[in-house]
Amino acid sequence: GDSVTQMEGPVTLSEEAFLTINCTYTATGYPSLFWYVQYPGEGLQLLLKATKADDKGSNKGFEATYRKETTSFHLEKGSVQVSDSAVYFCALSGGATNKLIFGTGTLLAVQP
Amino acid sequence: NAGVTQTPKFRVLKTGQSMTLLCAQDMNHEYMYWYRQDPGMGLRLIHYSVGEGTTAKGEVPDGYNVSRLKKQNFLLGLESAAPSQTSVYFCASSIPGQGSSPLHFGNGTRLTVT
Repeated sequence: GDSVTQMEGPVTLSEEAFLTINCTYTATGYPSLFWYVQYPGEGLQLLLKATKADDKGSNKGFEATYRKETTSFHLEKGSVQVSDSAVYFCALSGGATNKLIFGTGTLLAVQP
Repeated sequence: NAGVTQTPKFRVLKTGQSMTLLCAQDMNHEYMYWYRQDPGMGLRLIHYSVGEGTTAKGEVPDGYNVSRLKKQNFLLGLESAAPSQTSVYFCASSIPGQGSSPLHFGNGTRLTVT
């Protein structure tokens, strides 16, 4: 079945460092891909999405490109801030019901 | 501007007790979902609904029941709670969109079963 694999955390970075969180997927058909962010004590919020191959999703300085050839959707940010500390989830949705299949999440801790 | 509201926020149950988690959304979304979040496992889909009066099983439905009597509400029931159901439960909603519509999540209910 469909699945999402993302890099294990926690990831600890200093402020202004470059961030990459790897995400790969297995799916039949052509899924939409998402990154969600979860701040402490809160629910998940959509960070960005891409719905077809070569699409780039971007928001708040974060970017991810839908790579069909490598089945990947890696999250990147050029300069992280302390306020970016959160858990990041990669997810895919492949059907009409919008059901999401999530990766296990990656905890990012940014130190000042 | 409430979005998706879950009640209660916290609950402690003894094994064998029952309870109902309530999810309410004010965005007129057609689709609603219940997920559970466990450490190291991400979020897993319990049940979902694509419209008032309809429900369907997700990945981990055993031990749970759901009802969608009104479009804005989606109830998750535990008839006989077990320690394995200790988790954080998230409700979400979305519009129809062939897989491209994002989900809007509530802030979660933390359930502990002793």
